[in-house]
Amino acid sequence: GAGVSQSPSNKVTEKGKDVELRCDPISGHTALYWYRQSLGQGLEFLIYFQGNSAPDKSGLPSDRFSAERTGGSVSTLTIQRTQQEDSAVYLCASSPANRGSGYTFGSGTRLTVV
Amino acid sequence: AQSVTQPDIHITVSEGASLELRCNYSYGATPYLFWYVQSPGQGLQLLLKYFSGDTLVQGIKGFEAEFKRSQSSFNLRKPSVHWSDAAEYFCAVGDPGSARQLTFGSGTQLTVLP
Repeated sequence: GAGVSQSPSNKVTEKGKDVELRCDPISGHTALYWYRQSLGQGLEFLIYFQGNSAPDKSGLPSDRFSAERTGGSVSTLTIQRTQQEDSAVYLCASSPANRGSGYTFGSGTRLTVV
Repeated sequence: AQSVTQPDIHITVSEGASLELRCNYSYGATPYLFWYVQSPGQGLQLLLKYFSGDTLVQGIKGFEAEFKRSQSSFNLRKPSVHWSDAAEYFCAVGDPGSARQLTFGSGTQLTVLP
């Protein structure tokens, strides 16, 4: 597509429930990133996919968080047993392999855990 | 490990005044450097980037930034601010030649007074 698409744009969930956040990157972009932005905070790196390589999961805050990328395209970030501290905006970005043009970000999913 | 510091959490300027947003980085060599802008409820938009060469780079919306190796800085400037520039601005660094994740500063919130 023309840009990075994220869905849903907003998600309210009850504490303890699982949620799935979706990211559809720009066609042809081999790199995909997930970041978390908490209120008044900068961007916290979560996970990075590059082509068929094993993802860099070093930013995932706990084992409740996982992500997959199917067919080198769409990615899903899953948060199990959500906690109130998971409330944040989850941003997805994609880039070409050499990142010459920088990242392109989606508009994010605002997650609220009540 | 690389890091980015944006020392100003919040800056207020009058419309038509000049603007400078500060960014200092820590990195072993010359990194890739980026400035992004985020309007409320939106993802991040790339303003400009520095990879190598001329240390003064021009970006979109009339912004420019200057890379100063001796000061490990990459400050963002605009000669005359418009009300529509009110937003949050993020500086980021990355490894040259790699699509690995960027490291972002904590952001500077810009308020523009009429």
